Amino acid sequence: GDSVTQMEGPVTLSEEAFLTINCTYTATGYPSLFWYVQYPGEGLQLLLKATKADDKGSNKGFEATYRKETTSFHLEKGSVQVSDSAVYFCALSVPGANSKLTFGKGITLSVRP
Amino acid sequence: EAGVTQSPTHLIKTRGQQATLRCSPISGHTSVYWYQQALGLGLQFLLWYDEGEERNRGNFPPRFSGRQFPNYSSELNVNALELEDSALYLCASSLVYGSANTGELFFGEGSRLTVL
Repeated sequence: GDSVTQMEGPVTLSEEAFLTINCTYTATGYPSLFWYVQYPGEGLQLLLKATKADDKGSNKGFEATYRKETTSFHLEKGSVQVSDSAVYFCALSVPGANSKLTFGKGITLSVRP
Repeated sequence: EAGVTQSPTHLIKTRGQQATLRCSPISGHTSVYWYQQALGLGLQFLLWYDEGEERNRGNFPPRFSGRQFPNYSSELNVNALELEDSALYLCASSLVYGSANTGELFFGEGSRLTVL
C-alpha cells in the first residue's frame, strides 16, 4: 500500500541554521506530495505541495522538490527561525484513491535562539 | 472566519465505554475527514464524509463509526474502548469533493481521548 517514511526526530537547530527533513514514499500510482506543519496549539496546515515529477513546492522560505527517481520529497530551508519550531508531516495522495491523504509519522523541529 | 472546531478538547474514558467526538467544519465546506494521531504512529486515516455519505474508510475496526449531519458537522463514535484507542483525533474539512487529492484540507486542533 501507499506509505510515507520520514527521518527520525526530534531535530534541534540553532537559529539561521540550514534545515533538511527527509521524506521518501511508496505509492501504487502517481502521487501528489505535500508537507503539512503543526505549530504549537494549532491544527495542521498545508505548507507546500508538488503534483508532478521535478515540481518544486515553496512557501515561507521552505522548499521541496518532487524526485520521482528517488521517490523523495525532502523539505529544506536555508535559514531557520525560532518561529519555525513545529511538527512537520510529509504526506501523499494518489488520484482516484478515494481522496485520502497518507501521512508520515511527523518530526518535531525545535529552533533555539 | 471560524476554522474547524472540535469538541471536547479532552476526554477521559475507561475501557469498554463509548466515546463521542464532534467536529464542525469551516462554513461552506461539505467534506469532513477524521484522522487518529497515536503516539509514534503519525496520522492514520479513519473516515471521510461528504454530503452526508461515508465516502471512504481506513483500516479500523467497525467499532469506529461516525456520521455527518445535514449541516455538515460530523460525529465520530468509538465503542468498546480499548487502551490503544488513546490518541489525538483530528478532524479536517474541505470545500471541494476529493480535496485530499490536492492537499487542501483544513484541520482542527483535535480531541485528545485518554482510555484508562
